[in-house]
Amino acid sequence: GENVEQHPSTLSVQEGDSAVIKCTYSDSASNYFPWYKQELGKRPQLIIDIRSNVGEKKDQRIAVTLNKTAKHFSLHITETQPEDSAVYFCAASIVDYKLSFGAGTTVTVRA
Amino acid sequence: ETGVTQSPTHLIKTRGQQVTLRCSSQSGHNTVSWYQQALGQGPQFIFQYYREEENGRGNFPPRFSGLQFPNYSSELNVNALELDDSALYLCASSLGVAGERHEQYFGPGTRLTVT
Repeated sequence: GENVEQHPSTLSVQEGDSAVIKCTYSDSASNYFPWYKQELGKRPQLIIDIRSNVGEKKDQRIAVTLNKTAKHFSLHITETQPEDSAVYFCAASIVDYKLSFGAGTTVTVRA
Repeated sequence: ETGVTQSPTHLIKTRGQQVTLRCSSQSGHNTVSWYQQALGQGPQFIFQYYREEENGRGNFPPRFSGLQFPNYSSELNVNALELDDSALYLCASSLGVAGERHEQYFGPGTRLTVT
């Protein structure tokens, strides 16, 4: 089955700096890669996703890049703000079902 | 538009008992997936229901079972509870079209504690 590895497990950044989280996946057939943000005690929220026919996608301060050859994808958050502090999960799937999640990255934005 | 809802919010059960968790999908969504999230870990896929039938299953034993109803709401049943079943159980709904799926939106979860 699909195996998704996520790094780093924790990330502390100064407010205004950028944060980058990287994930690798094992199944070359995976074609859908969402990112979720989970604040303490709350539900995971979809923040951005990318499909395998696209190399990069951007939504305001958030961007995701995908390298199919290397089987890795990354989340980039620019101009970080305190409200960006949360646990971020990457996931991979085939045809949008059976999401396989990474172990999560705890992001702390220091004021 | 109504979001995904789950009930109950919290539940405490004893080892060996059975539990039923409920999920109402987001308005317009016909697919429900269930995930188990242990503390400090990412969600693990249990199974998915599409048009009232199981449409894929993760690495969970048969004592984890489910149902989907005509209104697309869903139940997760767990028999013979074990201590390791203690976790946050999340359901996610999406709009499924034959051969294609779309973004999954999560409910708030049910926190199950097995003692």
